[in-house]
Amino acid sequence: GQNIDQPTEMTATEGAIVQINCTYQTSGFNGLFWYQQHAGEAPTFLSYNVLDGLEEKGRFSSFLSRSKGYSYLLLKELQMKDSASYLCAVRDQVFQKLVFGTGTRLLVSP
Amino acid sequence: EPEVTQTPSHQVTQMGQEVILRCVPISNHLYFYWYRQILGQKVEFLVSFYNNEISEKSEIFDDQFSVERPDGSNFTLKIRSTKLEDSAMYFCASSQGWSSGTNEQFFGPGTRLTVL
Repeated sequence: GQNIDQPTEMTATEGAIVQINCTYQTSGFNGLFWYQQHAGEAPTFLSYNVLDGLEEKGRFSSFLSRSKGYSYLLLKELQMKDSASYLCAVRDQVFQKLVFGTGTRLLVSP
Repeated sequence: EPEVTQTPSHQVTQMGQEVILRCVPISNHLYFYWYRQILGQKVEFLVSFYNNEISEKSEIFDDQFSVERPDGSNFTLKIRSTKLEDSAMYFCASSQGWSSGTNEQFFGPGTRLTVL
């Protein structure tokens, strides 16, 4: 079966750092993706991990541990525009479907 | 920057009617997908399409659903007889399909389908 868990909601203040965790149990694994989704809009790609370790991309970093079935997305220097849902998704085979978690709604306050 | 486009942005239909949702994937992409997101719920995979045929489909994608690539640019999702529970945002996505690299899926802006 496919199971991807994320916290439902998180809050943080502008300028702070927040870590959004994701745990997964899937039948196959060919990469873990993080997408950002503003309300009523399409998901937009943030980051990708297929090997263990940290990938850094500006204010955003993502970490993967395949043995633990665990990933996190780290957002630094939070801005108000970072208020959105953050979706963890696993690709089970190359070029195939993404299996999404329920998403974590992040609210950034002044 | 190239993007996936979808039309219409909002479709309202009566239960039992047929609807066709349209998508134009990014031009050099080879893999195409439909997902849906019921309000307040997670994004769910419906179907993937490659080389003019379905490569994978979910249990949601039953006989009421079909996909087509009628020409070199459009990719459509048809729902033959809509049900109330088909009300959702439908996202089209595409990916390059190269053998190396991220091959992330790029999502269109979505079509909000409302079945009355």
